[in-house]
Formats: sequence, structure tokens, C-alpha cells
Amino acid sequence: DSGVTQTPKHLITATGQRVTLRCSPRSGDLSVYWYQQSLDQGLQFLIQYYNGEERAKGNILERFSAQQFPDLHSELNLSSLELGDSALYFCASSTGAGGVYEQYFGPGTRLTVT
Amino acid sequence: GENVEQHPSTLSVQEGDSAVIKCTYSDSASNYFPWYKQELGKRPQLIIDIRSNVGEKKDQRIAVTLNKTAKHFSLHITETQPEDSAVYFCAAIFGNEKLTFGTGTRLTIIP
Repeated sequence: DSGVTQTPKHLITATGQRVTLRCSPRSGDLSVYWYQQSLDQGLQFLIQYYNGEERAKGNILERFSAQQFPDLHSELNLSSLELGDSALYFCASSTGAGGVYEQYFGPGTRLTVT
Repeated sequence: GENVEQHPSTLSVQEGDSAVIKCTYSDSASNYFPWYKQELGKRPQLIIDIRSNVGEKKDQRIAVTLNKTAKHFSLHITETQPEDSAVYFCAAIFGNEKLTFGTGTRLTIIP
């Protein structure tokens, strides 16, 4: 157990809908990262927050947004869902701001869009 | 661009033999290289990492080597066991912020 928690574990929804994924970092970690893992794309970095502020952005679609709250938990919002958004979504946390800090992954949320 | 290439994509070795997975990266400024192990349906788990100021790091049966000149790093697993079967991902940091992952190697240990 990495100490990073994610809810829900599974999510099944229809195209066009909107969902929110939640992540709580390890105690003491200030950075949260979101990744998407699909069969044909591997692990893709989406976005990073550090202490409430957006720190780095990857290949995140405009339909996706995220935020980190004062208690350091983070939410990833996915809207206007398409079939291709079906994937495993992981969050990870680390102590520091830069990517050179060890990142520990949560158990993931499996999103299925039908 | 930010690119990490990983080879091979699949690897089968006899139990007790060694396994080697290789990665190359595009940015000579990269200075942090972690390796993750992912079992089926589970989270990626950090197993070892190396920073650019060292050439090799070892942790029991696992070792990582780094050649900064060639922009190349490798994972070595010795005395492989059935529980080593998993997908292994290498990664490299770009711009001190973004971790870019390789495409993964599915390692199968044959009893």
C-alpha cells in the first residue's frame, strides 16, 4: 500500500457524461500527479499540482480539468466523455515540486465509457 | 521532443536466469530515472531509481545502470523468480517536471 488513495475504484458511464475522480496523497506529500493508462498509449502524464497550484501540464485534453484543494486532495474532472476516454486513471504523489522526487501511485480508477 | 524508448516489449526468461530491460531517452538534461513494476490490474510500484550523478545502483536482486553519454539506462534482475513476472516501465524526467514513461516490457518468468 503506497498511502495514496483513489475513489471510486470503478466507474461506468455513457458517452457525453461528466465524471469526477478523487485522489488523496500520502501524508506529507504536497504534489499530486494525474496519469492516464490505456492499452495503446501506456502511461501518459496529464497534469501536476503542487500545494494547490498547477505546476506542469502534459497531454491533457481541454475536456479534462483538475484542481487541488487546501487539504491537498485532488480531483480530476472529465467531461463530454468519449469511448476513447475509457482507461485506467492513476494519481501519484510526491513530497516536492519537481518531477525528480519519487512518485508513489494510487490504486487507480478504471473508467469505462459505453 | 520528450521521448523514452524501451526494449524489448516482451521478455521470457527461465526461472533463476537474469533479465535485462533497456531504455534510451532524448533529453541530455534528464537527471532522474525511475523504474516501475506493474502487476496485472494493480498500480505501478517504484522498485528502483537512479540519479544522474551515479552510474549504477543496486538493491538486492535488482540493479540499474546509467550511461549519460549514450543517454541509455538499463534494469537488471538477477536470479529471477515467478513473482518477478509483471510489466516493467522505465521513465525519465524532462524539464525537471514531467515524468515520461517508456512503453513497458512484459516480463514472464518460466518455472
